[in-house]
Amino acid sequence: EVQLVESGGGLVKPGGSLRLSCAASGFTFSSYSMNWVRQAPGKGLEWVSSISSSSSYIYYADSVKGRFTISRDNTKNSLYLQMNSLRAEDTAMYYCARDSGRWEGDFDYWGQGTLVTVSS
Amino acid sequence: QSVLTQPPSASGTPGQRVTISCSGSSSNIGSSAVNWYQQLPGTAPRLLIYSNNQRPSGVPGRFSGSKSGTSASLAISGLQSEDEADYYCAAWDDSLTGPVFGGGTKLTVL
Repeated sequence: EVQLVESGGGLVKPGGSLRLSCAASGFTFSSYSMNWVRQAPGKGLEWVSSISSSSSYIYYADSVKGRFTISRDNTKNSLYLQMNSLRAEDTAMYYCARDSGRWEGDFDYWGQGTLVTVSS
Repeated sequence: QSVLTQPPSASGTPGQRVTISCSGSSSNIGSSAVNWYQQLPGTAPRLLIYSNNQRPSGVPGRFSGSKSGTSASLAISGLQSEDEADYYCAAWDDSLTGPVFGGGTKLTVL
């Protein structure tokens, strides 16, 4: 059974940093591109970042470019999101999502999310 | 302001057929496949439709998708109370080099 479990969320002050993790199991992690998608309270979904299976290709939404860094460790079946210079507008539930492999931007498995709150 | 445009709400009675529209542009829907996600209250999104009209295993046949030009739609037939959820369309955007989502449509089963 495919499982994605996020952790690392919490309350942080504006300008602060946080590192999110996503532990994957039930599939060959090293064969899939992975993504972070966020959802502000009461709002819609926003794609944040993608990383290819071997970390060769990395993409970011303009809203986080230069502040967030996505990475992965295939030996630990884990995905990460380093978030620096956090702003109030980064407050959201952050989901880890697996790319289906169809190269159409569809995400076939999602974690339960980890909540990040940026507030003084 | 979402890149893809969806109506904020839709509703229907049990057994009815409802459709949810999604409008985009040539850089996203016009050149890429459309995917749909269902998000039940308090849960993570779930892939409902991929490649415009394909259903992942486990998704009931009551759900169907279609695409024409720069627009797409999700149809739900035989509406059931458990279909009450938020629905999001999504497509890869060539100019943004990433997927874009619609703002979501809250479906209410009356």
